[in-house]
Amino acid sequence: EAEVAQSPRYKITEKSQAVAFWCDPISGHATLYWYRQILGQGPELLVQFQDESVVDDSQLPKDRFSAERLKGVDSTLKIQPAELGDSAMYLCASSSQGLEQFFGPGTRLTVL
Amino acid sequence: DAKTTQPTSMDCAEGRAANLPCNHSTISGNEYVYWYRQIHSQGPQYIIHGLKNNETNEMASLIITEDRKSSTLILPHATLRDTAVYYCIGVRGGSNYKLTFGKGTLLTVNP
Repeated sequence: EAEVAQSPRYKITEKSQAVAFWCDPISGHATLYWYRQILGQGPELLVQFQDESVVDDSQLPKDRFSAERLKGVDSTLKIQPAELGDSAMYLCASSSQGLEQFFGPGTRLTVL
Repeated sequence: DAKTTQPTSMDCAEGRAANLPCNHSTISGNEYVYWYRQIHSQGPQYIIHGLKNNETNEMASLIITEDRKSSTLILPHATLRDTAVYYCIGVRGGSNYKLTFGKGTLLTVNP
C-alpha cells in the first residue's frame, strides 16, 4: 500500500539553527499539506499545496517558516531560525481531488 | 467550518462496541462530518465520513442524526489496537477540504 514518506523521523537542533523536513506524497496526489502538532493538541494546518502552488498558508509563520513544492511532487518545510516553541511533530499529508488525507509518520522536532 | 464538541476521554472493554459521540450543532448544509484517529506517535488515519446518510465501511459505522447536529462513530468490536485519539471534524465541500482538528476523544480499550 502506498504511503506518505517523511524524513527525518527525529530531529534535535539548537535554537537559532536552521532545520528542514522533507515529504514525499503518495504518487499522483496533487494536494499536499504540512501540519504542526504540539503535544496534547490536534494537528494545525501550516500550508496546503495544489500541485506546485500554495493555496493556503494563512497559519504559516512566514518570518521563519518557508515551504516549497517546486515540481509539484515532493516538498520541503524549512524553519530558520528555530525557536524553542517550534518543538513539535511536523506532519505531512497528501490527497487526491479533495478526498481523504493520508498522513505520513511525522518528524518530531526538539529545539534545545 | 462547524465547531465540534467531543468528550475528552472514554473507556471501552475489548470486544465490545465503542460509541464515540460528536456534537456539531452549527454544521451547515454542505459540510461533511469526517472522522480521523491518531494512534500514539503515528500520523492521523482517515476512518469514515458522511453528509446526511449513515455510512459504514470496514473500519466503522457513522450515524448522523436527522437534524445533523450530532453524530456517533461506532467501532463494532473494539480491540486494543483501537486505543487512539479520535477526531470529529466538519469539512466544507469545495473549501479545499481543509481539516481543522480539535483535541478529540482519547479512547482507551481495556482488556
